[in-house]
This record gives sequence, structure tokens and C-alpha cells, in this order.
Amino acid sequence: GQQVMQIPQYQHVQEGEDFTTYCNSSTTLSNIQWYKQRPGGHPVFLIQLVKSGEVKKQKRLTFQFGEAKKNSSLHITATQTTDVGTYFCAGRNTNAGKSTFGDGTTLTVKP
Amino acid sequence: GAVVSQHPSWVICKSGTSVKIECRSLDFQATTMFWYRQFPKQSLMLMATSNEGSKATYEQGVEKDKFLINHASLTLSTLTVTSAHPEDSSFYICSAITGASSNQPQHFGDGTRLSIL
Repeated sequence: GQQVMQIPQYQHVQEGEDFTTYCNSSTTLSNIQWYKQRPGGHPVFLIQLVKSGEVKKQKRLTFQFGEAKKNSSLHITATQTTDVGTYFCAGRNTNAGKSTFGDGTTLTVKP
Repeated sequence: GAVVSQHPSWVICKSGTSVKIECRSLDFQATTMFWYRQFPKQSLMLMATSNEGSKATYEQGVEKDKFLINHASLTLSTLTVTSAHPEDSSFYICSAITGASSNQPQHFGDGTRLSIL
């Protein structure tokens, strides 16, 4: 079945440093979504990418979808303590009516 | 908008008890709801997809008779963990999408922390 791998599993950064998490799918995706889950909370939708090579920005967050639509990345510029949490990618296979979540990358930011 | 309410937020019960968890979309109609299980510091494992008015679609390895799902209306889906045992202890979380399109984002409830003694 479809597998979605996400790396790294954990990332510890100093406040102000950049952060990137990578998501790779074993199959071509129709779309990929990114979610953020704060400690003790539930996942919150951040963004969706649909087009090959698509790049979207939300303030300090930059999301990319690979040309082959099998990988994606989330980059945070100049991290802040409010960025802490676990970031999940969720890839939807063209032929399946569901999304498969990656294992998540847990970000901690040291002030 | 797009608020999903999940109840209860936590439950502790004895082994052998059946537990019902409700997932409600408060300000939209959810034709599709998803039920996940999340272990500590792990990802969301999809258990089943629930469509209003039809039988749920269970993922491989998930026991249908153990985890009963009912989606009787466009705003409510329930998950019943029957004869729960300690190994069923986990964080259960539901999500809903607003339309039939596969491009819809998922809106998650706050989750239910289930502890079976």
C-alpha cells in the first residue's frame, strides 16, 4: 500500500534558526496537505498543494510540491517559540479516497 | 467556521466495557468523517472512513465488530469500542470534510483519550 515517509522525526533548533521537514511518498499523489499539531492538541490544517512543482508561502512558512508529485517540504524561516509542535504531511493517492499521514516531525524551539 | 466537536475528551473505564465516542460537525454538513488512532508521539493511523447513510470502510487490520461506526446524519458520526481491553487504550480522533471533493482539508476534533483499566 501507499507509504508516506517524513524526516526528520525530531528537530531541535535555536530560536531564529530555520527548519525544514521533508515528506516522501512511495506513489504519485493527487495532492498533499500539511497539518500542525501542538502538544496536547489536535491537527490543524495549514495548506494543500495540488500542482506539480507548486510553491506556496504563508508568512515564514514555505511549502513545496515536487515535480513528480511524490515529495514535498515545509520550510520555516527564523523559527519562533510559537512554531513548536508536530508537523504532519498527508498525501492523497489518486486512486484512493483517503490520505495517508506521515510520521510527523516534532519541532522544539529553544528561546 | 468548520468546527468539529468530539465527546468525551477523555474516559477511563474497566476492561470489558463498551465506550461510545461522538464526533459532530457544528457548523457544516460532513458527508465524510474519518476516525484515527494516535499512539503517543506517533502518527495518525486511519481506522475507518465513515460516509453518511452507508457502511463505514475499514482499514486493513481494523476489526469491524470491535470498532463500530455509525454515521446516521450529516453532522454526527459515532465510534463504539466494544468490550474494550487495555490494549485499546489510545487517543482516538475524528475528522470531517465539508464536501465530497478529495481536495477538501480535514477538520479535526479535539480527540478522546481512552484509558482501559
